[in-house]
Amino acid sequence: GNSVTQMEGPVTLSEEAFLTINCTYTATGYPSLFWYVQYPGEGLQLLLKATKADDKGSNKGFEATYRKETTSFHLEKGSVQVSDSAVYFCALRGTRGGADGLTFGKGTHLIIQP
Amino acid sequence: DTAVSQTPKYLVTQMGNDKSIKCEQNLGHDTMYWYKQDSKKFLKIMFSYNNKELIINETVPNRFSPKSPDKAHLNLHINSLELGDSAVYFCASSQDLGGYRFFGPGTRLTVL
Repeated sequence: GNSVTQMEGPVTLSEEAFLTINCTYTATGYPSLFWYVQYPGEGLQLLLKATKADDKGSNKGFEATYRKETTSFHLEKGSVQVSDSAVYFCALRGTRGGADGLTFGKGTHLIIQP
Repeated sequence: DTAVSQTPKYLVTQMGNDKSIKCEQNLGHDTMYWYKQDSKKFLKIMFSYNNKELIINETVPNRFSPKSPDKAHLNLHINSLELGDSAVYFCASSQDLGGYRFFGPGTRLTVL
């Protein structure tokens, strides 16, 4: 079945540091990949997505590139801000669907200190 | 305008009680979901409804019963609440199964 593995958190960085949150996946076929962000006390929001190999999704300074050869979709940002503190979820939509059409990773809690 | 709304935002209740959480979406989506997020932020799908019909029911105690009066609403009823039911419950919707989700703000349920 489909699965998503994210790095364990919490990840604590200083403001303006470079961010990488690793995400790897297991899926049959050609899944679409997503990053969702959950700010404190809120629901999840779609941050970015990529639908085919070598696509790069980007939004709010965040980027992630769909790497089929390494089955990865790592999230990066060049200079983080305190307001980026949140929980980040990697997710995939398999071509045959997961149990609910969308499979989430366990989430990575990011803490940015001023 | 709020895309996906849930009420109440907070719910504190005693063990053994029965409670409901309401969800409404104004996006015209066909599919709605309930998720449970535990204290470690792990997100687990509970139910999916498509056009008012249940299409996915994960391993959830039958004390939990979703009800969809129409496409725009999916309510969650919980009977005989237990301590382990304490969590944040998120409603979500998407255009179709597998589409990216719009999430509600969550309902924090605390069972004492």
